[in-house]
Amino acid sequence: LAKTTQPISMDSYEGQEVNITCSHNNIATNDYITWYQQFPSQGPRFIIQGYKTKVTNEVASLFIPADRKSSTLSLPRVSLSDTAVYYCLVGDMPNDYKLSFGAGTTVTVRA
Amino acid sequence: GAGVSQSPSNKVTEKGKDVELRCDPISGHTALYWYRQSLGQGLEFLIYFQGNSAPDKSGLPSDRFSAERTGGSVSTLTIQRTQQEDSAVYLCASSLVLAPSSYNEQFFGPGTRLTVL
Repeated sequence: LAKTTQPISMDSYEGQEVNITCSHNNIATNDYITWYQQFPSQGPRFIIQGYKTKVTNEVASLFIPADRKSSTLSLPRVSLSDTAVYYCLVGDMPNDYKLSFGAGTTVTVRA
Repeated sequence: GAGVSQSPSNKVTEKGKDVELRCDPISGHTALYWYRQSLGQGLEFLIYFQGNSAPDKSGLPSDRFSAERTGGSVSTLTIQRTQQEDSAVYLCASSLVLAPSSYNEQFFGPGTRLTVL
């Protein structure tokens, strides 16, 4: 899996949009970008995956520029329950089953 | 349907004792994975099962660690002669392997928190 860099922590307030940027300068042609979310005392949960441009689902949006050297996870109108650790993974996901998470970004949402 | 379940949720043991951790994957998921997450650290891959066979054991940290899977379902991770550095949360995940080229999302259980005194 390609090396990724993301902020250690971010603070926000309820109702705001949270954007977490992940750097992956060495991304390969076959690599996808995947984000997982982990609540305290729970296992990680898949949020979203993309290859290029923009992907949106009911939870988040993922923005990927043309050079794919970075990506931004966008959480719209966060609530207290969005407080979690968010992990960015880059790899040939159908084949890179050995998921390897770094420290992730701890997002704290305050009232 | 039910998600991945793990038992026990917490285990406290003394150094040198053996422990068994259990994982019940989602019904029908052919792939099963074990990971370890130490406090404040990321996720560390341990072993992968496809059916009952383990084609990739590369992440097992030492020969004190072993795992098996029976009936293509339940898996047990065994740690012999536990050491304090084995203290961590042990996570199990399963996935439905649709095709080599498709993204096989891994569904995680809540983990077993192991504390070795």
